[in-house]
Amino acid sequence: SQWGEENLQALSIQEGEDVTMNCSYKTYTTVVQWYRQKSGKGPALIILIRSNEREKRSGRLRATLDTSSQSSSLSITGTLATDTAVYFCATTSSGQKLVFGQGTILKVYL
Amino acid sequence: DTTVKQNPRYKLARVGKPVNLICSQTMNHDTMYWYQKKPNQAPKLLLFYYDKILNREADTFEKFQSSRPNNSFCSLYIGSAGLEYSAMYLCASSRDVLGEDTQYFGPGTRLLVL
Repeated sequence: SQWGEENLQALSIQEGEDVTMNCSYKTYTTVVQWYRQKSGKGPALIILIRSNEREKRSGRLRATLDTSSQSSSLSITGTLATDTAVYFCATTSSGQKLVFGQGTILKVYL
Repeated sequence: DTTVKQNPRYKLARVGKPVNLICSQTMNHDTMYWYQKKPNQAPKLLLFYYDKILNREADTFEKFQSSRPNNSFCSLYIGSAGLEYSAMYLCASSRDVLGEDTQYFGPGTRLLVL
């Protein structure tokens, strides 16, 4: 069964706005990883949050994790055009494979 | 250097013909993975090597083969390509096997089967 699930979304926002993307998963997980894939590049890890953390920040990024509802979110504040990418959540636990969601397509226009 | 390289970046193949994709990493990672990515779908793990041990996913076991002649290189081999193999193939590596370790991805090889 899928461990990571993310409803495919396409978001188009103006530079400077804030945005939040959501991810839900179905089974036990100890880590949620958020990857960003820019055009022509492979996915790259941007933030990782563990099950004993409710929130994690990295620069303009903020990830949350709610293990009771099995959901995670990624927020970007003050978006830039360079944030344009596909964002994937991926869930895993020790010894298990990383399972990706379908991704959120984010377009930030000037 | 956290670079994972893939060759070729684009591949055109005919139905029924073999396809061989190459991946390399210089991070001395023990594990290398291959994923298949189709439009509007999540990346799907096909197989991975932990050191010299190959693990293939049950639902793609017979469709894909792989080799890892040394720590740095890993190939993905399709013996007879079908139209359904058209996809982006992503290679990744990580220091540890599975679990919580960060995976470093290459830029992908876009395969089109005609």
